[in-house]
Order: sequence, then structure tokens, then C-alpha cells
Amino acid sequence: GENVEQHPSTLSVQEGDSAVIKCTYSDSASNYFPWYKQELGKGPQLIIDIRSNVGEKKDQRIAVTLNKTAKHFSLHITETQPEDSAVYFCAAGGSSNTGKLIFGQGTTLQVKP
Amino acid sequence: GAGVSQSPSNKVTEKGKDVELRCDPISGHTALYWYRQSLGQGLEFLIYFQGNSAPDKSGLPSDRFSAERTGGSVSTLTIQRTQQEDSAVYLCASSLVGWNTEAFFGQGTRLTVV
Repeated sequence: GENVEQHPSTLSVQEGDSAVIKCTYSDSASNYFPWYKQELGKGPQLIIDIRSNVGEKKDQRIAVTLNKTAKHFSLHITETQPEDSAVYFCAAGGSSNTGKLIFGQGTTLQVKP
Repeated sequence: GAGVSQSPSNKVTEKGKDVELRCDPISGHTALYWYRQSLGQGLEFLIYFQGNSAPDKSGLPSDRFSAERTGGSVSTLTIQRTQQEDSAVYLCASSLVGWNTEAFFGQGTRLTVV
């Protein structure tokens, strides 16, 4: 079945450094790749998404890259701040065969002041 | 409402009892998802509703789990004869037209089976 692998599971960086989280997916028909941020006690919230007709997308300090040939995509956060500390999830979906979103296992990002 | 609403926010139940979890999606959203999140774990897909199509139940872990969506709006996730391993946060999300559109999550229902 569909699968999304996410690495690393935990990531600790100093404030101001960059953070990179990587995901690979198995369903080659997937064409929608969102990233979610989950703070303690809250539901996940979309921070950025990318569709398969685009290779890269940026929104201020956040960027996502997509390599459909290799079936992997990455989240890049630059100039990290303590409030970026949270759990980040990647997901893959949008296959014409099914609408469900399959999530990675999550990355706990800690930004040290 | 403004967002996805789930109730109750917390539920403690005894092993063997049945529980019902409710999800009110964003008005007008045709797609609705249920996920389970165990402590410190990722989001495990359970079931997906899209409009009037037959739901994708491929993620339900056993026949003790079922879900329905009445009138294309409110959804109820039912767990029969609860077990301790069912303890988790159950998250509901909705999106405008399903695949390829943003899914908005509720706050979740924390289920504890004692």
C-alpha cells in the first residue's frame, strides 16, 4: 500500500540555523504534498504545500522542494526561531485512484535559543 | 462554524465499552478524514469520505471500528468493545473537494481506555 517515510525523527538546531526534513513516498500517482506543523495539544496545521507540476515553492522562511522522479520532497526552514519548535509532518496524496492523504511519522524540531 | 469541531475533547472509558466520537467539518467541505495518533507517533489513516462516493475504509484497524457520515456533513467514529490499545488521539479533518486541496484538522479527541 501507500507509504511515506520521513527523516529525521528528531532534529535539534540552534536559533538562526537552517533545518531540513526529508520525505519519500511510494505511490508514483501522488501529486499533492503538504507539510503540517503540530504544536502541543493542537491539531496539525498546514504550513506549505506543493503540487507535482512545481519543483520548488517558497513562503518567507519556509521552502519545499519536490523530485518526482526520485519520489522525494523536502522542507527547508531558514533562520529558525524558537517558535518553530514543533512536530512537522509531511504527507502525500491526490492520487487519481484515491483521495486519502498518507502522512509520514513526524519530525520533532527543537530550536535552541 | 469557522473550523473543524470535534467532541468530546477528552473521553475516558472502561475496557469493553463502546464509544462514539463526533466530527463537525467545515461547512461546504465534501471530503472528511479520520486519523489516529498514538502518543508520540505519526498520523495513522483510518477512513476517508468524499461526497456521495463509497468511503475508503482501508485504514480501519479492525471490525470494531466503524464510521458514518450523515447527510454529507457530520461524521461519527464508533469503536466497539474498546481495548487499551485503542487509547490515542483521534483527529478529524475536512477539505473542500478532497484530493489536492488543503485538509483542515480539528483539535482531536483524546481517548483513554482504562
